[in-house]
Amino acid sequence: GAVVSQHPSWVICKSGTSVKIECRSLDFQATTMFWYRQFPKQSLMLMATSNEGSKATYEQGVEKDKFLINHASLTLSTLTVTSAHPEDSSFYICSAPQGFSGANVLTFGAGSRLTVL
Amino acid sequence: DAKTTQPPSMDCAEGRAANLPCNHSTISGNEYVYWYRQIHSQGPQYIIHGLKNNETNEMASLIITEDRKSSTLILPHATLRDTAVYYCIVRFYTGTASKLTFGTGTRLQVTL
Repeated sequence: GAVVSQHPSWVICKSGTSVKIECRSLDFQATTMFWYRQFPKQSLMLMATSNEGSKATYEQGVEKDKFLINHASLTLSTLTVTSAHPEDSSFYICSAPQGFSGANVLTFGAGSRLTVL
Repeated sequence: DAKTTQPPSMDCAEGRAANLPCNHSTISGNEYVYWYRQIHSQGPQYIIHGLKNNETNEMASLIITEDRKSSTLILPHATLRDTAVYYCIVRFYTGTASKLTFGTGTRLQVTL
């Protein structure tokens, strides 16, 4: 079946540094990918929609200059958390639509846990 | 998107059927019902989806009422590995990829 790979699985960084998270669709192409964030004991919150060849669309309240999204190819989207601070510590999850006929089903990556010290 | 209502938690004995309800009384005609689950510290996993008819796959069955105002996800023989948060999501489909909004879901605890 469709597989979405995320890297790294977990990362620890110092406050003020930038961290890049990669999301790859391994056996299918994705012109669109979705980035979610999840804080402990909370549900997933959509951050942005990544579009191949164009700018990402951010949800209300998400700082686009802080969370840089680049959809470089039909199989790769990256999320860069710039000047990370402890409050950015979270579980970041990407997803891509499988393109089932008549519906959109998302395949999710395993997630990337970011800890900012 | 139509709002969904799910119980916050449920318990189920291993080997028994787990029946997870979802209310979506404001669903419109072109909105699908999707079910996902999230096992602790993992990305969500797609389970099943449907529009009007009942659906079954290797993981579960989806029963949608005739008026489409509610649905039930059935795990026929729950195992400990089915312990997870289950999300019921209603979303339209227009032929292109569409984002999904997750609510708080139902935390299913399968016990021995």
